Amino acid sequence: EDQVTQSPEALRLQEGESSSLNCSYTVSGLRGLFWYRQDPGKGPEFLFTLYSAGEEKEKERLKATLTKKESFLHITAPKPEDSATYLCAVQPSGYSTLTFGKGTMLLVSP
Amino acid sequence: DGGITQSPKYLFRKEGQNVTLSCEQNLNHDAMYWYRQDPGQGLRLIYYSQIVNDFQKGDIAEGYSVSREKKESFPLTVTSAQKNPTAFYLCASSLENTDTQYFGPGTRLTVL
Repeated sequence: EDQVTQSPEALRLQEGESSSLNCSYTVSGLRGLFWYRQDPGKGPEFLFTLYSAGEEKEKERLKATLTKKESFLHITAPKPEDSATYLCAVQPSGYSTLTFGKGTMLLVSP
Repeated sequence: DGGITQSPKYLFRKEGQNVTLSCEQNLNHDAMYWYRQDPGQGLRLIYYSQIVNDFQKGDIAEGYSVSREKKESFPLTVTSAQKNPTAFYLCASSLENTDTQYFGPGTRLTVL
């Protein structure tokens, strides 16, 4: 059974304090790993797709990396507007469906 | 503007009633999905459709039904058989069934 575990469940940072969110996964064969951002009461917003170990993608203050067992979402010098829940999901090879983790709730204080 | 719309944003239902949630997309995507989100839980797949007139059950399909008569539309009916329907419902679509999924704004359903 495919499993996705995100840690920590919640993270509080001061503005400018860099950190990383973790997504550990177990899947028979990985087609892709997805990161989304979700604001309260809204639908998830797509951030990144990673396909193979060693791949990295960046967008503004966010950088996602992938290994064979886990993915990290690095947040550099975060701002209060980065506060959101970050969701990780995996798509097994040959399947169209996603398995989601429970998310990490990030709060960045000014 | 291309995108996914869901309506209504908020929905209240009495016990024993069926309700239908709307999901429309103008992205020309082939695949569409319905998820349920509960506090402290990951998104769980209810139903998905890879092509018009065809759909498959997800992990938690009991008490729900769908139709896919048009490429643009994938309505979800929450039936009275769903034991605990209060949740945030999210619709998503992707160009093909293995592409990135994009989400709508969601419908919050509350059973009174």
